[in-house]
Amino acid sequence: DTAVSQTPKYLVTQMGNDKSIKCEQNLGHDTMYWYKQDSKKFLKIMFSYNNKELIINETVPNRFSPKSPDKAHLNLHINSLELGDSAVYFCASSQGEGGTNEKLFFGSGTQLSVL
Amino acid sequence: LAKTTQPISMDSYEGQEVNITCSHNNIATNDYITWYQQFPSQGPRFIIQGYKTKVTNEVASLFIPADRKSSTLSLPRVSLSDTAVYYCLVGDASTDSWGKLQFGAGTQVVVTP
Repeated sequence: DTAVSQTPKYLVTQMGNDKSIKCEQNLGHDTMYWYKQDSKKFLKIMFSYNNKELIINETVPNRFSPKSPDKAHLNLHINSLELGDSAVYFCASSQGEGGTNEKLFFGSGTQLSVL
Repeated sequence: LAKTTQPISMDSYEGQEVNITCSHNNIATNDYITWYQQFPSQGPRFIIQGYKTKVTNEVASLFIPADRKSSTLSLPRVSLSDTAVYYCLVGDASTDSWGKLQFGAGTQVVVTP
């Protein structure tokens, strides 16, 4: 009965590879997000989608491409991985349209290590 | 974005009350104050949210003075399992920052026996 689930939990890959992280929420929420947490524990928003429509793209390189096939899924595809992409990536969802006062529900994270 | 300032770390013993104060001098009229808790290898978890005065739930209390320029998260009688990072966030209702909820470095709370 996991609310927000993302896979894989760990992802180790070589520079230059392409990889995807999947996220699904069963809460019936309308908005989903991707956050990146760096080694200093700062969580930065990358994207948000409301009902499959992109509403926030926070100056993320074009190598990162989110895809939302339906409002319950938001996947993150990363092309040509670089060392600096190593971080923990969190998927989240919220009930409303994505305003900053909404309660966020987070997945357990994907630890990406680029070698 | 309304910025927040909170202590980097706090130590406590089991059974004590832990109070974490967060400063948000530039909070806007429409903004709420929200606190999240994050355990290692997990995503942040919503704890409590408030607009003014006092809010209490089964996990914590949130005290907000009249000027709303700060807030205090109170964790009563902490246990070892309360060891985590606690984030204070203030929503920013301005048009160019809508939806861009940003987390700071948080406060690392360590509870020891």
